[in-house]
Amino acid sequence: DADVTQTPRNRITKTGKRIMLECSQTKGHDRMYWYRQDPGLGLRLIYYSFDVKDINKGEISDGYSVSRQAQAKFSLSLESAIPNQTALYFCAAGGGIGNTIYFGEGSWLTVV
Amino acid sequence: GEDVEQSLFLSVREGDSSVINCTYTDSSSTYLYWYKQEPGAGLQLLTYIFSNMDMKQDQRLTVLLNKKDKHLSLRIADTQTGDSAIYFCAEMGDSSYKLIFGSGTRLLVRP
Repeated sequence: DADVTQTPRNRITKTGKRIMLECSQTKGHDRMYWYRQDPGLGLRLIYYSFDVKDINKGEISDGYSVSRQAQAKFSLSLESAIPNQTALYFCAAGGGIGNTIYFGEGSWLTVV
Repeated sequence: GEDVEQSLFLSVREGDSSVINCTYTDSSSTYLYWYKQEPGAGLQLLTYIFSNMDMKQDQRLTVLLNKKDKHLSLRIADTQTGDSAIYFCAEMGDSSYKLIFGSGTRLLVRP
């Protein structure tokens, strides 16, 4: 496994607040990803990064921003949270043989 | 754009085989994956297959790929109650490195 760790695992925040989800990985993979999971919609890609200087938007990047502080760290921010951003957020890292991507345990975010 | 589709639900009896199907649209898909998500848990990578292969077997799991029809399947032999979960199909193109997921198939294994 890529040993992907996400913090916090659960967070309740109020509408309009700024919230950051953090992610770190210990296997030195170049690529890191943030996904959002909503019931019945599978996982949708928010942002992905190939290295510290290469950040790319995914299909649902509006309302989100990211920072790749180091090869091992990739954080996701909601500058002004809104209720429809309530979801389960996954960070992932990978590459190498098979381009296999490994996921963290997920961060439940509730915006009230 | 890329699209991955799966049936939403499958119910099987314990001990039977399960077959979960997936179709994708991106003809440049190079890698195809199956992930498992148990209730309240993250995604576990089960297996993957390169697009130049048509079959891959790993213990109870068999992946079949029909590249012409863009159809991927996951067969679980001797399905157990512990196999009850949501199974996601995903594909990755050879240049984008974006992992695109289907909506997931919920597998229910009846005793």
